Amino acid sequence: GEDVEQSLFLSVREGDSSVINCTYTDSSSTYLYWYKQEPGAGLQLLTYIFSNMDMKQDQRLTVLLNKKDKHLSLRIADTQTGDSAIYFCAETSENTDKLIFGTGTRLQVFP
Amino acid sequence: DGGITQSPKYLFRKEGQNVTLSCEQNLNHDAMYWYRQDPGQGLRLIYYSQIVNDFQKGDIAEGYSVSREKKESFPLTVTSAQKNPTAFYLCASSIETGGYGYTFGSGTRLTVV
Repeated sequence: GEDVEQSLFLSVREGDSSVINCTYTDSSSTYLYWYKQEPGAGLQLLTYIFSNMDMKQDQRLTVLLNKKDKHLSLRIADTQTGDSAIYFCAETSENTDKLIFGTGTRLQVFP
Repeated sequence: DGGITQSPKYLFRKEGQNVTLSCEQNLNHDAMYWYRQDPGQGLRLIYYSQIVNDFQKGDIAEGYSVSREKKESFPLTVTSAQKNPTAFYLCASSIETGGYGYTFGSGTRLTVV
């Protein structure tokens, strides 16, 4: 079945850029998403990219999609302590009627 | 404001009891979902519903039950058959299944005492 994988942890210094990576297996993915989860809260949709796009930028967030390698990344510029959270990537495709979530990457930002 | 509301935020259950978690949305979304999240783990799908009076099992449905009598409501019952129910439960909704982002509630933390 479809699978989405992420590294578990990332630690960065405040002001640096963060890059969170995600790989997926479903070659017929249509949309790919990034969600943010703060402690004790639900998931908040940050951004999404359609599978025929290579890049999408939204303020401090840049999403890069390499469809050939099935690799998705989220870059956060000028990372702040408020960016500390768990980040989930998710994908949907023609093969499934629901989102498939990755395991989440815990981003820790230190001063 | 439109949104999705889960209640209660914290819930304590004694061993052997059934408990029901509430999920209500006023987004006019057709599809609704229940996920379980354990510490340090991702989301696991329990049940989902594409339309009223219809629902499907997810990956970990054993020990849980749901109903979808109204479009706005998708309550989850954690039964005594669920061996390890302590977890964070998240409800979500979407316009329809597949191809659309989900809106999540703020979650219910269930603890068995």
